[in-house]
Amino acid sequence: QSVLTQPPSVSGAPGQRVTISCTGSSSNIGAGYDVHWYQHLPGTAPKLLIYGNINRPSGVPDRFSGSRSGTSASLAISGLQPEDEADYYCQSFDSSLSGSYVFGTGTRVTVL
Amino acid sequence: QVQLQESGPGLVKPSQTLSLTCTVSGGSISSGGYYWSWICQHPGKGLEWIGYIDYSGSTYYNPSLKSRVTISVDTSKNQFSLKLSSVTAADTAVYYCARDRSDRSGGTHYFDYWGQGTLVTVSS
Repeated sequence: QSVLTQPPSVSGAPGQRVTISCTGSSSNIGAGYDVHWYQHLPGTAPKLLIYGNINRPSGVPDRFSGSRSGTSASLAISGLQPEDEADYYCQSFDSSLSGSYVFGTGTRVTVL
Repeated sequence: QVQLQESGPGLVKPSQTLSLTCTVSGGSISSGGYYWSWICQHPGKGLEWIGYIDYSGSTYYNPSLKSRVTISVDTSKNQFSLKLSSVTAADTAVYYCARDRSDRSGGTHYFDYWGQGTLVTVSS
């Protein structure tokens, strides 16, 4: 059972903007640990989208942006495209129970 | 371009030990500066971090799996391996290996390169 909660699904039409929330607590995001985001198409290797809350690796379009505030973080996708249809996961560190890297519950993005 | 590839049996019997190997290409484990992780995804569920190892053999495991997990490294083969003991059907999952890094001392690790994953089914 993940300590980082995401909405199960979000959807939008091509060109629209969608946001995915990642809600944590004082033992993870609220403690100042960085949040990272991944895009996962079933059957393929997950892809790093955002690291260190706001940074995009080389090759990731600037349509993807991240933010963090308090005990939550968000991933925004602007100008939604059909190829953005995938599962998205946030990831951070949780200091409770001896500490562990943790992933969010995952969000399926559907392009209408 | 770093690439990772998992290999190992796709079927393991209950109570036995799951063993997987990750072969790294395009970069050397022994050069240091990175960690090497195992992550799994149970059917219909999210991702779960299992543990990591560095080039020197130092490890850090998910506390919930620590009693059953061993991760080892063979720098001569540029490989690292996972052993998960006493498996049950609940360990059925796709297992991924990934390069694990942190941008600064004390920074939260993240995973910048992943393997394609391999499905391991626990069944008699």
